[in-house]
Amino acid sequence: GENVEQHPSTLSVQEGDSAVIKCTYSDSASNYFPWYKQELGKRPQLIIDIRSNVGEKKDQRIAVTLNKTAKHFSLHITETQPEDSAVYFCAASKGGYQKVTFGTGTKLQVIP
Amino acid sequence: EAQVTQNPRYLITVTGKKLTVTCSQNMNHEYMSWYRQDPGLGLRQIYYSMNVEVTDKGDVPEGYKVSRKEKRNFPLILESPSPNQTSLYFCASSLLDGSTDTQYFGPGTRLTVL
Repeated sequence: GENVEQHPSTLSVQEGDSAVIKCTYSDSASNYFPWYKQELGKRPQLIIDIRSNVGEKKDQRIAVTLNKTAKHFSLHITETQPEDSAVYFCAASKGGYQKVTFGTGTKLQVIP
Repeated sequence: EAQVTQNPRYLITVTGKKLTVTCSQNMNHEYMSWYRQDPGLGLRQIYYSMNVEVTDKGDVPEGYKVSRKEKRNFPLILESPSPNQTSLYFCASSLLDGSTDTQYFGPGTRLTVL
């Protein structure tokens, strides 16, 4: 089955700096890669996603890049703010709605 | 208001006592799924359903059952709970329209099995 590895497990950055979280996946048939943000005590919420036919996607301060050859994808957050502090999860699936495998999460702390 | 609801939100039970966690969505979504979240392990998929009467196993289905008799409901059943099923459980749903894959999560159910 699919295996998703996520690094780092914790990340501390100064407010205004950039943060990068990386994930690798094992199944070359995976074609949908979402990122979820989970604030303390809350439910996960989708922040951005990318499909295998696209190499990069941006939404304001966040972007995701995908390298299908190397089977890895990354989340980039620029100009970080204290409200970006949360746990971020990457995931991979085939077809977008089937079996979904999540990474183990990255706890991001933005220091004011 | 479009939402996914779960009940109960908190449950403490004892080993072997059957329990059901309900999940309901009012968005007419075809896809529904159950996850468990444990520290250091992230979210792991238990079961998912592509539509009514269609269910399939995720990565950790052992010890769990599900049913999808109606589109809006997807209950999670623990026939004989054990302490290793102590966890935070999330239900999620998604619309299968080919343009959006966003999964909407419920508020979570924290289960403790003694």
